[in-house]
Amino acid sequence: SQKIEQNSEALNIQEGKTATLTCNYTNYSPAYLQWYRQDPGRGPVFLLLIRENEKEKRKERLKVTFDTTLKQSLFHITASQPADSATYLCALDVSNTGKLIFGQGTTLQVKP
Amino acid sequence: DAMVIQNPRYQVTQFGKPVTLSCSQTLNHNVMYWYQQKSSQAPKLLFHYYDKDFNNEADTPDNFQSRRPNTSFCFLDIRSPGLGDAAMYLCATSSGLAVMADTQYFGPGTRLTVL
Repeated sequence: SQKIEQNSEALNIQEGKTATLTCNYTNYSPAYLQWYRQDPGRGPVFLLLIRENEKEKRKERLKVTFDTTLKQSLFHITASQPADSATYLCALDVSNTGKLIFGQGTTLQVKP
Repeated sequence: DAMVIQNPRYQVTQFGKPVTLSCSQTLNHNVMYWYQQKSSQAPKLLFHYYDKDFNNEADTPDNFQSRRPNTSFCFLDIRSPGLGDAAMYLCATSSGLAVMADTQYFGPGTRLTVL
């Protein structure tokens, strides 16, 4: 079966450390992968998109990697801050039509 | 600011009583989506419109319907809400102009409670 898996356990880290979140998928061959941030009671907000031919993408303190062989994307937040606390969702366009399938998200808690 | 607006933010309805959720956008995007998200779960796509073309997901119950009277507005109708339909309903848009790399813009969501 087709699956997108993110660690369902919350990730707790200390302020200033690097947070690393994982997104694994099976039986898909997406042309690109996206990461979204979702705060409690709010809609997701787009953060980064990485294409299959890109190994790494950066935006300010955020970095995403995409390994199509391992079928895995890693999402890094460097110098994390309490304001980074949120749920982070990965999403794949599994049919190359623009429709996204989301993972269930990983909740990040950054402690001061 | 261009945005996606959902009304109401909180909706309470009774079991079996029809309810309509609304979404509007000022982004002039071609595509509008409706997602259902239950607690600690992934947003689940119910259906989407590309312009006036309606695209239903295979596993979306018949109880859920949608209307898009114009580019700016899209409605989600739940004909006979059950307790299992209590969830956050998210509306999203995308330009539809770059199918291979189209990001989505979400509204704040409507939290539906079914009594």
